Amino acid sequence: DAGVIQSPRHEVTEMGQEVTLRCKPISGHNSLFWYRQTMMRGLELLIYFNNNVPIDDSGMPEDRFSAKMPNASFSTLKIQPSEPRDSAVYFCASSPRAGAKNIQYFGAGTRLSVL
Amino acid sequence: DAKTTQPPSMDCAEGRAANLPCNHSTISGNEYVYWYRQIHSQGPQYIIHGLKNNETNEMASLIITEDRKSSTLILPHATLRDTAVYYCIVPRAGGTSYGKLTFGQGTILTVHP
Repeated sequence: DAGVIQSPRHEVTEMGQEVTLRCKPISGHNSLFWYRQTMMRGLELLIYFNNNVPIDDSGMPEDRFSAKMPNASFSTLKIQPSEPRDSAVYFCASSPRAGAKNIQYFGAGTRLSVL
Repeated sequence: DAKTTQPPSMDCAEGRAANLPCNHSTISGNEYVYWYRQIHSQGPQYIIHGLKNNETNEMASLIITEDRKSSTLILPHATLRDTAVYYCIVPRAGGTSYGKLTFGQGTILTVHP
């Protein structure tokens, strides 16, 4: 199994630009999570999906952030417009089944720099 | 999530056992203890979890005290590749909170040659 695949691995953009981060969960996993990690705030859960449906987006910082999961094998996290304070490492994780959502498999992350 | 307390850092000699403590005195009866680690520049990695019995897998052992207020993650023969930040997490059980992991500051384990 290839694991959770995130793209791009690194993204450098200018303030005001739209940024789209992508995630392919492990095949057969039915839950998907987006996290953000910064030195100041540590690792924070932004949003999670169960069977492609958003369950909890209380961690999404503001309306500039949006996430979609059009099918079981793909999810996006979009920031529009981006700001320097959005600079962080964004992780996607997936979980295999209803009884094991706390066992999550993480991707390698996308390091975002907003100039 | 139940509050967890971990030492900020620990050292261990290569080949020796690494014992990482975690205090979770406010844990509820149906809440599990989970351990993850994050090696530098990688995503977090699940290690092990338990409710009240001791658990062992190919990566580590988890010892939970009888009153469940604390636990210890044991890496029996630490290697340099075990150098990482180790997180002890006690997620809320059930409902929409299920799957919501709160990562604290963790313990930075440094394994020395």
